[in-house]
Amino acid sequence: GAGVSQSPSNKVTEKGKDVELRCDPISGHTALYWYRQSLGQGLEFLIYFQGNSAPDKSGLPSDRFSAERTGGSVSTLTIQRTQQEDSAVYLCASSLGLGATGNTIYFGEGSWLTVV
Amino acid sequence: AQSVTQLGSHVSVSEGALVLLRCNYSSSVPPYLFWYVQYPNQGLQLLLKYTTGATLVKGINGFEAEFKKSETSFHLTKPSAHMSDAAEYFCGVHNFNKFYFGSGTKLNVKP
Repeated sequence: GAGVSQSPSNKVTEKGKDVELRCDPISGHTALYWYRQSLGQGLEFLIYFQGNSAPDKSGLPSDRFSAERTGGSVSTLTIQRTQQEDSAVYLCASSLGLGATGNTIYFGEGSWLTVV
Repeated sequence: AQSVTQLGSHVSVSEGALVLLRCNYSSSVPPYLFWYVQYPNQGLQLLLKYTTGATLVKGINGFEAEFKKSETSFHLTKPSAHMSDAAEYFCGVHNFNKFYFGSGTKLNVKP
């Protein structure tokens, strides 16, 4: 597509429920990133996918968080047994290629998650 | 390890005044540097980036930033603030396939 597409744009869920957030990157972009933006906080790196390589999961805050990327394109971020502190904007981004090439990272509009 | 520090979570300037948003980074190798802007209720968009070559980089909306290796800085400036510049600004570093961002600076422009 023309840009990074995320869904849902807004999600309100009850504490303890599971949620899935979807990201459709820009066509042809092999790198995909998930970030979390909490109120008053910066951009917290969660996970990074590059092609068919094993993802870099070093930023996932707990084992309740997981992500997958099917067919090297669409990605789903899953949060199990949601907690109120999971409330944040979840941003997906994509970019071209490998290495420190200075490629621009393009962000989606984000999925606003509220856990009540 | 890579890190990005933005000094000042909130900066307030008068319309027409100089805008200076500070960014310092730590990197084990020469980095690629970015500034992104997030307008209220919108996603992040690229303002400017430094990869190689000229250390003074010009971006959209009259913003520019200068890469100073000796100071490990990449401060963002604009000579004259406009009301429409009110937004949150994020400095970022791209190294080893990952993008690292600072905590952001919210710019308020007073009439």
